[in-house]
Amino acid sequence: DGGITQSPKYLFRKEGQNVTLSCEQNLNHDAMYWYRQDPGQGLRLIYYSQIVNDFQKGDIAEGYSVSREKKESFPLTVTSAQKNPTAFYLCASRHGDTEAFFGQGTRLTVV
Amino acid sequence: GQQLNQSPQSMFIQEGEDVSMNCTSSSIFNTWLWYKQDPGEGPVLLIALYKAGELTSNGRLTAQFGITRKDSFLNISASIPSDVGIYFCAGRPYNAGNMLTFGGGTRLMVKP
Repeated sequence: DGGITQSPKYLFRKEGQNVTLSCEQNLNHDAMYWYRQDPGQGLRLIYYSQIVNDFQKGDIAEGYSVSREKKESFPLTVTSAQKNPTAFYLCASRHGDTEAFFGQGTRLTVV
Repeated sequence: GQQLNQSPQSMFIQEGEDVSMNCTSSSIFNTWLWYKQDPGEGPVLLIALYKAGELTSNGRLTAQFGITRKDSFLNISASIPSDVGIYFCAGRPYNAGNMLTFGGGTRLMVKP
């Protein structure tokens, strides 16, 4: 079945470490997005990519990096520069006039 | 960025009751979307609205695109326990390309 897969479901990071969250889709969608969700808040856009080998900063890109080497994959790296990385991270993809389809999320906790 | 005001923040209702929640903005939107998120999962699209005044239903859910293009509401009729979750509105601002702005969510709790 087509879908969007985020892994891992739960991730623990020590302070000062970089971690990479995986997002893979087999929907043949061109556009992919990363959002951050904090309790009681709406989703905030970190980075997005509308085509392979191109990506743009969202509203809260500081402390994060991405790559888009393949259409199917849009990994997000949370760097040590991100001062408050504990959050729920959501990946989404979209194609043409369809609305965004979300993965099941990764909960990142700094220990 | 743009802000959407979603209310109420939470609701605790009795099974069988109707529910209403809304989103407002200070600027015009081209698109209004309503998503539901279950705990620990990603949001799932419930209803999409693309035209001012549009009223769309999906089972017991009904949503409307406000005539001023600055608001939208979602109604749930005859609530059931599986309606529990967080409901998010999202909008696509006029002249802002394809980017979505999300409301803060309405947490719905249903008492059997």
